Amino acid sequence: EAGVAQSPRYKIIEKRQSVAFWCNPISGHATLYWYQQILGQGPKLLIQFQNNGVVDDSQLPKDRFSAERLKGVDSTLKIQPAKLEDSAVYLCASSLRTSSSYNEQFFGPGTRLTVL
Amino acid sequence: AQSVSQHNHHVILSEAASLELGCNYSYGGTVNLFWYVQYPGQHLQLLLKYFSGDPLVKGIKGFEAEFIKSKFSFNLRKPSVQWSDTAEYFCAVRGNNAGNMLTFGGGTRLMVKP
Repeated sequence: EAGVAQSPRYKIIEKRQSVAFWCNPISGHATLYWYQQILGQGPKLLIQFQNNGVVDDSQLPKDRFSAERLKGVDSTLKIQPAKLEDSAVYLCASSLRTSSSYNEQFFGPGTRLTVL
Repeated sequence: AQSVSQHNHHVILSEAASLELGCNYSYGGTVNLFWYVQYPGQHLQLLLKYFSGDPLVKGIKGFEAEFIKSKFSFNLRKPSVQWSDTAEYFCAVRGNNAGNMLTFGGGTRLMVKP
C-alpha cells in the first residue's frame, strides 16, 4: 500500500514570497490533515478536510495560509506571503473517514520550508 | 482545550539501559492516548495507543506505556533500548469529542549510544 506522498521535500524561499505544498493521501482515505511542525515542537494541526469539505481550520492563519482539496483527493497548502516564522516542516496525514471512533492517521514525509 | 506536556526534551542512554519518557495531558473528559515515533529521515509512525481497558498497553518493538488516569499520565517505557531506538518520540491525545483531532506534545529526542 502506497503511503502519503508530499512534494516538494525541501523548499527555500525569501520572506514575502509565496509557496505551495502538495499532498496525495492514501487511496481511499477520506480525511486529510495538514500539520505545521516548528523545530523543537510537536506537530500542530492547521486544517482538516473530510473529502473536499473543511472540518476544522481553527488554527490556520487565514490571512496568509490557504488550503484546498477540490476533488476530495489531492490537497494543496499555500502560504502567501511567507514570514520568517513560517519556517517549519509541513506534514500531511490521511485517515479513513472521520467518525465517532478514531481512525489512525498516516503521515507523509513532510516538506521542510526555510524562509530567509 | 486539550494539551500535552513532555518534560524531557533530550535523553541520552547507553544500549541496554531502561527507558521511561514522561507524558502528561490536560483534558476534562475521556481521552485516547498515543505515542508516535519519528526515526531519522523517516515519517511519523504510530508506536502504540490507548483507548480503553487494560491501562498497560504494549506496542511495537518492545515498547509499552501505562495510562494512569489519576496522574493524567501516559509514560512510555522500554526495558532495554537499542541503538536503533534513536528517534524522536511524540505523545499525543485525542479528546472524545474532538473527532479525529490529535494534539501533540513537544517531543523527546532520544539518542542511544552503542
